[in-house]
Amino acid sequence: QVQLQESGPGLVKPSETLSLTCAVSGNSISSVYYWNWIRQPPGERLEWIGSIHHSGNAYYNPSLKSRVTIEVDTSKSQFSLKLSSVTAADTAVYYCARGASLYTNSWFNWFDPWGQGTLVTVSS
Amino acid sequence: EIVLTQSPGTLSLSPGESATLSCRASQSVSNNYLAWYQQKPGQAPRVLIYGASSRATGIPDRFGGSGSGTDFTLTISRLEPEDFAVYYCQQYGNSPWTFGQGTKVEIK
Repeated sequence: QVQLQESGPGLVKPSETLSLTCAVSGNSISSVYYWNWIRQPPGERLEWIGSIHHSGNAYYNPSLKSRVTIEVDTSKSQFSLKLSSVTAADTAVYYCARGASLYTNSWFNWFDPWGQGTLVTVSS
Repeated sequence: EIVLTQSPGTLSLSPGESATLSCRASQSVSNNYLAWYQQKPGQAPRVLIYGASSRATGIPDRFGGSGSGTDFTLTISRLEPEDFAVYYCQQYGNSPWTFGQGTKVEIK
């Protein structure tokens, strides 16, 4: 059974770079799936940040694209998120999730399963 | 991007009653690629429905999804105590994937 676990600093200063890692177990990260980052600011709706395939193929939400980098490390079975120039508006619970589809290697995904989420606060 | 609007914001019901949740898209969702999730406090969302009407693995048959184009519905028949939660819809037919703002189903 696949499990995902986010890790990283819970506090980031404004203008710095937020860095998170998602460890994948129970499923090869080099399989047919896309791997995703999603966030949920306090009291707001969920927001898809972007997704990556083990081949390196990545897609990003245009609203964040200029500040986001998602990478995969197959040797460590993990993928990462970097969000630069953060502000208080980037304060959120950040989730990693596997992309699900009826078709292999498709990025048209719903998300299943999810990691437990990690709260990142942007504050000086 | 597609904006998803869920209604009502809050639904107050008793166990055993049925719930009908709506998700309306600002434009047609390609291939009816719409999913529904349940989220309880302090937990990650859990998928219930994908492709507008297909139940995810392990989801009880009291959860049903329907709709197409811009109008979608999640129906929960015979509410159980564990069903009181927040429900989100998500479209994955038109990038960027987007979510609705949620409907809270609370105990009356």
